[in-house]
Amino acid sequence: KAGVTQTPRYLIKTRGQQVTLSCSPISGHRSVSWYQQTPGQGLQFLFEYFSETQRNKGNFPGRFSGRQFSNSRSEMNVSTLELGDSALYLCASSLGQLDNSPLHFGNGTRLTVT
Amino acid sequence: EDQVTQSPEALRLQEGESSSLNCSYTVSGLRGLFWYRQDPGKGPEFLFTLYSAGEEKEKERLKATLTKKESFLHITAPKPEDSATYLCAVQANSGYALNFGKGTSLLVTP
Repeated sequence: KAGVTQTPRYLIKTRGQQVTLSCSPISGHRSVSWYQQTPGQGLQFLFEYFSETQRNKGNFPGRFSGRQFSNSRSEMNVSTLELGDSALYLCASSLGQLDNSPLHFGNGTRLTVT
Repeated sequence: EDQVTQSPEALRLQEGESSSLNCSYTVSGLRGLFWYRQDPGKGPEFLFTLYSAGEEKEKERLKATLTKKESFLHITAPKPEDSATYLCAVQANSGYALNFGKGTSLLVTP
């Protein structure tokens, strides 16, 4: 069974630009979550989608947004990039039907903002 | 506010030297506590879920236990391939997000 796939693996952007990251969940998984990982803050929750609806949102500014498509694939968008947005962005999927089903993570997109 | 604290931050063991990693947590109603392993350049890999105090789970050289305030990840006779960062996370009854600790970086030397 294929795991969670995130594209691209690496991105370099300039301050003020916007970026879109993509995530394909494990087949059959309907919940997709996004996390930001930095050396200082660790893993921080961005948002979670289930059946195209955002169920949960973390404490990030409105520049961070996401969506989920009918095939459960998800995208997240960051507008007006800041230097502090440099991080590893991780997508995770789960069955979503049981609230405590484990998350399975992709290998992330490494975003560098210059 | 939910909090997860992992200790130690870093741990160096010799091959075969057993030890334990600690995860202390405060959460308003625990739905589940999760352990993950993360290798450099990769996403976290799921290891265990624990749901209630007294529960234990094992996988190869790893054993996870849970009390009402903390969880331990016991590593028995570790090998160099067990070197990784081990992450603990809690999920509260009130939501779907996982609240992660900062992790324990484990290095096992031959």
